[in-house]
Amino acid sequence: DGGITQSPKYLFRKEGQNVTLSCEQNLNHDAMYWYRQDPGQGLRLIYYSQIVNDFQKGDIAEGYSVSREKKESFPLTVTSAQKNPTAFYLCASSMDRYEQYFGPGTRLTVT
Amino acid sequence: AQSVTQPDIHITVSEGASLELRCNYSYGATPYLFWYVQSPGQGLQLLLKYFSGDTLVQGIKGFEAEFKRSQSSFNLRKPSVHWSDAAEYFCAVGESGNLIFGKGTKLSVKP
Repeated sequence: DGGITQSPKYLFRKEGQNVTLSCEQNLNHDAMYWYRQDPGQGLRLIYYSQIVNDFQKGDIAEGYSVSREKKESFPLTVTSAQKNPTAFYLCASSMDRYEQYFGPGTRLTVT
Repeated sequence: AQSVTQPDIHITVSEGASLELRCNYSYGATPYLFWYVQSPGQGLQLLLKYFSGDTLVQGIKGFEAEFKRSQSSFNLRKPSVHWSDAAEYFCAVGESGNLIFGKGTKLSVKP
C-alpha cells in the first residue's frame, strides 16, 4: 500500500533535548511538507521541500531543522531552541504542489 | 497574502440532518480550494478539491462543496450526516505552491 508513515506516534522528551521526527513516503511524490498543529490554530507550515537536497522555510521555521537526502524521506528535528515544542506534527507529500496527502502524525510532548 | 476563514469553531447536528460548513477565502484570482477531514489524533484526509470548471464538486463520503466566486466562499455540504462524520474539518486554499489552512470546524453529531 502506498502512503506516508510517521514514527513514532507519541514521543516524550525532556526540555533542552533535540528530537527527530521521522516521515517516509512511498508515493513517489516530489514535494514534502511539515506542519505543526495546535488546538484551535489550524495547521502552520514549518518547512517544505520540492526536490531532493533542497528545502525552504515555512511560516514558523525557527527552532526546527530538516534534511532531504532521499526522495522518500523528510525528517524534522525539533531543537532545544524551539520555545514551545509540545504539539502535534504532521507530514505531507504531494505531486502537484497543492493536493497534499498526510501522514498519521506524531504527538510530541516536552516536559 | 491569502487567508482562509472558517467562521464556525464548533457545530452540532443531529444524525440524519443536513450539514453545511462555511469557508471564506481572500484571493484575487481563481483559487485552488480544498476540504480536509481529521479524526481525533489522526492525519488529514482529502475530501474534495476545486481547481476550475464546474463550481459544484463531489467528494468522498457523500460530501460536496460549491465554489461561489461572488461570495469568496467554498462551503461544504452533506445531505444526511452519519455519526461517523464527527470530526474536525479544514478548508484550505493554495498559494505560491503551498496550502493555507483555516482554523477548522469541529463537528459533533447527536444521536
